[in-house]
Amino acid sequence: NAGVTQTPKFRVLKTGQSMTLLCAQDMNHEYMYWYRQDPGMGLRLIHYSVGEGTTAKGEVPDGYNVSRLKKQNFLLGLESAAPSQTSVYFCASSSPGIGAEAFFGQGTRLTVV
Amino acid sequence: GNSVTQMEGPVTLSEEAFLTINCTYTATGYPSLFWYVQYPGEGLQLLLKATKADDKGSNKGFEATYRKETTSFHLEKGSVQVSDSAVYFCALREEYGNKLVFGAGTILRVKS
Repeated sequence: NAGVTQTPKFRVLKTGQSMTLLCAQDMNHEYMYWYRQDPGMGLRLIHYSVGEGTTAKGEVPDGYNVSRLKKQNFLLGLESAAPSQTSVYFCASSSPGIGAEAFFGQGTRLTVV
Repeated sequence: GNSVTQMEGPVTLSEEAFLTINCTYTATGYPSLFWYVQYPGEGLQLLLKATKADDKGSNKGFEATYRKETTSFHLEKGSVQVSDSAVYFCALREEYGNKLVFGAGTILRVKS
């Protein structure tokens, strides 16, 4: 019953450091998404993928990169962290289809100091 | 582009009060519409959905009707409980795309 698993759950970075957030899903979903959640702004789409080896930009992609080398994993990278990237990051996955439900991970709370 | 607008919160209600959270959307074609709920410290989980005009989604006493003419999907519950306290997100999935677009979320606080 794992569903969508994000690692790590918490992280503190110094400005300029890099890190990778991992998202893994065991539901054989084609689509995967990365969102950030900030107070008053809801969930904003960073990048998404519609299949292994494919990625696309969302609403707020600057400062982030992603890779989908395996169908079950979707990695979000920060090459040079900035305080503006302090946020809670959520990964989600879904099947294709107009009414398909998205399943979310528990989130990663990232603080950049 | 596609977007979702929700009423601002927080919404504070007494137990057993009637709840309405307004949601309107802008989208081309016929998107699917969703309400997700987020309990403290957790990820989002699906509450209900509707995939075509005039459909009514319902779950756990909550319901919402897909109104194409007013581009709305308002969430209602007849009698809220303290356990309903959470953040509620309205969302749409594009008909001709792959994106899932969320509103800003509405905090609901129910007091006993």
